[in-house]
Amino acid sequence: AQSVSQHNHHVILSEAASLELGCNYSYGGTVNLFWYVQYPGQHLQLLLKYFSGDPLVKGIKGFEAEFIKSKFSFNLRKPSVQWSDTAEYFCAVRSNSGYALNFGKGTSLLVTP
Amino acid sequence: GAVVSQHPSWVICKSGTSVKIECRSLDFQATTMFWYRQFPKQSLMLMATSNEGSKATYEQGVEKDKFLINHASLTLSTLTVTSAHPEDSSFYICSVWFTLTGELFFGEGSRLTVL
Repeated sequence: AQSVSQHNHHVILSEAASLELGCNYSYGGTVNLFWYVQYPGQHLQLLLKYFSGDPLVKGIKGFEAEFIKSKFSFNLRKPSVQWSDTAEYFCAVRSNSGYALNFGKGTSLLVTP
Repeated sequence: GAVVSQHPSWVICKSGTSVKIECRSLDFQATTMFWYRQFPKQSLMLMATSNEGSKATYEQGVEKDKFLINHASLTLSTLTVTSAHPEDSSFYICSVWFTLTGELFFGEGSRLTVL
């Protein structure tokens, strides 16, 4: 069955620490990959996406993600987090044959001052 | 500014009543919209794909007679929770497919509480 796995459910970091959130998927064929962020009380916003080309994708607010096809992974990274990065992060995958996104369970990130 | 607008943001209703949630695409015409459901501290679960001018496509396990979806125009899709029960209490989120970029834009969500 197609699935999206986020390994870290809760992450607590101090400001300026580096961040890496794991995301793995089990889909056959071509996929489109996304990371969304949900700040407290707000709607989902797109951080970055990968469709094709350079597997290292840069998004907004200093985030980046690397698509590693052999590992079926699309991990999200940020070199130095800020308090304002406190939010829920969702990895999502779409198979090339469809429109809808399949979301991971999300990772709750808390950045402490 | 917002691309997708949902209304209402919050709704509380009595068990057995029906509730309608609207999803509007503000900046572009959307032939396809999606309805998701999010339980507390959990991920978004796709409920159905709403297609303008045709019947919605429901995911396995979603009761189409309970969650009525109407996509009557290119800018509006509605989700009606019929004969709501407390277990239907959840956060319902719509999203709009922007074909030019392949991106999904999400509404603010509608929190339904059934007493």
